[in-house]
Amino acid sequence: LAKTTQPISMDSYEGQEVNITCSHNNIATNDYITWYQQFPSQGPRFIIQGYKTKVTNEVASLFIPADRKSSTLSLPRVSLSDTAVYYCLVGDIPYSSASKIIFGSGTRLSIRP
Amino acid sequence: DAGVIQSPRHEVTEMGQEVTLRCKPISGHDYLFWYRQTMMRGLELLIYFNNNVPIDDSGMPEDRFSAKMPNASFSTLKIQPSEPRDSAVYFCASTLGRTPAGGANVLTFGAGSRLTVL
Repeated sequence: LAKTTQPISMDSYEGQEVNITCSHNNIATNDYITWYQQFPSQGPRFIIQGYKTKVTNEVASLFIPADRKSSTLSLPRVSLSDTAVYYCLVGDIPYSSASKIIFGSGTRLSIRP
Repeated sequence: DAGVIQSPRHEVTEMGQEVTLRCKPISGHDYLFWYRQTMMRGLELLIYFNNNVPIDDSGMPEDRFSAKMPNASFSTLKIQPSEPRDSAVYFCASTLGRTPAGGANVLTFGAGSRLTVL
């Protein structure tokens, strides 16, 4: 079971870069790292996924060190609309255990003007 | 595709009444999940299906909760009888078990059903 640990909350200001780190010491060889974003009154939605090194898309970057025991979600130049809860999940396909798809408490990110 | 569709979006009922929540997954997805979210407990996995078969229901709180998936395009979560502590937002999510390109598949969530039991 690849348990994840994230900060409960973070604060930042508009225009800043925000980095949220997730620890997953027991990550397995076949596991991928996936981040979700949840706004109030909505379901979580996919942001980014990676296996190793660095992944970048139009929304964020994901940095994964060589040992893969942690990962960092980087949000460049945040705006007020990035205020949300961010979840880090570790798992593989096909899902062999329900424990692979358990959401932790997430990181509540608050962006101020 | 219209995404994962849940109904009703809001439900207010009285204690003891039966509640049925519905979910239509994305066409072609072979995994379906039911989650419950509250401020106190966060997102809890209740049950998930693969190819319409329940794989793990260990998260279902008690016998008052039941879930079915009679076909690939429809699932229900039923609470009978409902209690005030069941008040929460219930999410349905679906995903495809395998992709040709590899990588772990991501969950697509519905908008949720907000249940209030008085």
